[in-house]
Amino acid sequence: EAGVTQFPSHSVIEKGQTVTLRCDPISGHDNLYWYRRVMGKEIKFLLHFVKESKQDESGMPNNRFLAERTGGTYSTLKVQPAELEDSGVYFCASSQDPSTGGEAFFGQGTRLTVV
Amino acid sequence: DAKTTQPPSMDCAEGRAANLPCNHSTISGNEYVYWYRQIHSQGPQYIIHGLKNNETNEMASLIITEDRKSSTLILPHATLRDTAVYYCIVRVYTGGFKTIFGAGTRLFVKA
Repeated sequence: EAGVTQFPSHSVIEKGQTVTLRCDPISGHDNLYWYRRVMGKEIKFLLHFVKESKQDESGMPNNRFLAERTGGTYSTLKVQPAELEDSGVYFCASSQDPSTGGEAFFGQGTRLTVV
Repeated sequence: DAKTTQPPSMDCAEGRAANLPCNHSTISGNEYVYWYRQIHSQGPQYIIHGLKNNETNEMASLIITEDRKSSTLILPHATLRDTAVYYCIVRVYTGGFKTIFGAGTRLFVKA
């Protein structure tokens, strides 16, 4: 069974450009989460999808970040325009129904560098 | 936001048991305790979770105190590959669900 996959693994862009990160969750997992770790900081929650709906987006830093999950399968996280402080590692995770206590499986992350 | 407290770092000799403590004194009755680890810059890896009872799987054991205010993750025979940052997490349900990571414990397994 394939795990959570993220594309690209690395991205280097200039300030002001747009970048789109993609996450393919484990097949059958309705719940999809985005997290990020900026340099020297803790891993922070960004948002949570249940199927195609945003269940909790309280961690999204500002309106330059847009997450979508059309059709309830893969998800994209777009940063437009990117700023220097957006540099970090973006993780995606997926799980089955969390109310049953199931674990979330994480992808390997996308390392974003804004120069 | 983190609801757990862990020591920042610990050492363990290879082949010995690693016992990683975690305090979660404000845990609610329906909140689970989860442990994840992160090796280098890889994605966090699930280890184990529990609610009230002690749990064991092929990776580790989880001991939860009777009052549920603290827990201990036990790696029975630590290897060099177990060197990582270990996160103790209490799942928070706020209409949605999100896992809140703290600073974790950096475990160094030494030969």
